Amino acid sequence: DTGVSQDPRHKITKRGQNVTFRCDPISEHNRLYWYRQTLGQGPEFLTYFQNEAQLEKSRLLSDRFSAERPKGSFSTLEIQRTEQGDSAMYLCAIQSLAGELFFGEGSRLTVL
Amino acid sequence: QKEVEQDPGPLSVPEGAIVSLNCTYSNSAFQYFMWYRQYSRKGPELLMYTYSSGNKEDGRFTAQVDKSSKYISLFIRDSQPSDSATYLCASRSGEKLTFGTGTRLTIIP
Repeated sequence: DTGVSQDPRHKITKRGQNVTFRCDPISEHNRLYWYRQTLGQGPEFLTYFQNEAQLEKSRLLSDRFSAERPKGSFSTLEIQRTEQGDSAMYLCAIQSLAGELFFGEGSRLTVL
Repeated sequence: QKEVEQDPGPLSVPEGAIVSLNCTYSNSAFQYFMWYRQYSRKGPELLMYTYSSGNKEDGRFTAQVDKSSKYISLFIRDSQPSDSATYLCASRSGEKLTFGTGTRLTIIP
């Protein structure tokens, strides 16, 4: 148990549809991160939150992507008008007080 | 050039062997170094987290960091079939982790 729950675990959608992923840390953590991992590659940083504030966004996060953390607990990542290139594993992570990052099991997106 | 370079493998070794996994990095600003294990279709699982140059041991795993040569290693002793997975090295500067591509390891019974 990594302390991070992600939903759904797998989403299959058609190109042009919108999808939303949810990340629920089991306990309170100030910092929450989103990463994206494509096949055969390591995860790549997308964005992170300090409580409810989104403090940094990667260039990978195009304007079709939006992330929120409205109450500083769970977070959502929405992708609008999905493209085949969006197919990837979307990973949520929390940071411990010691600075370690613990990832959830990820949400796998397949865009047809 | 990627900031963190890792040989993707695949690497196959017999059960019981010592496994050596390596990464190099180019960014001198990297302060923290991690190794993750990732099973197929699962999230990365943190194995080791180190800050300074030197060795850190945890059970059968030893992480080694050499900041002067920008080289990080993970050693697995007495390898088991359950160690078969992809191993990802990562380096941290600020809030962002930069990962290698991962090395796919298979332990042959």
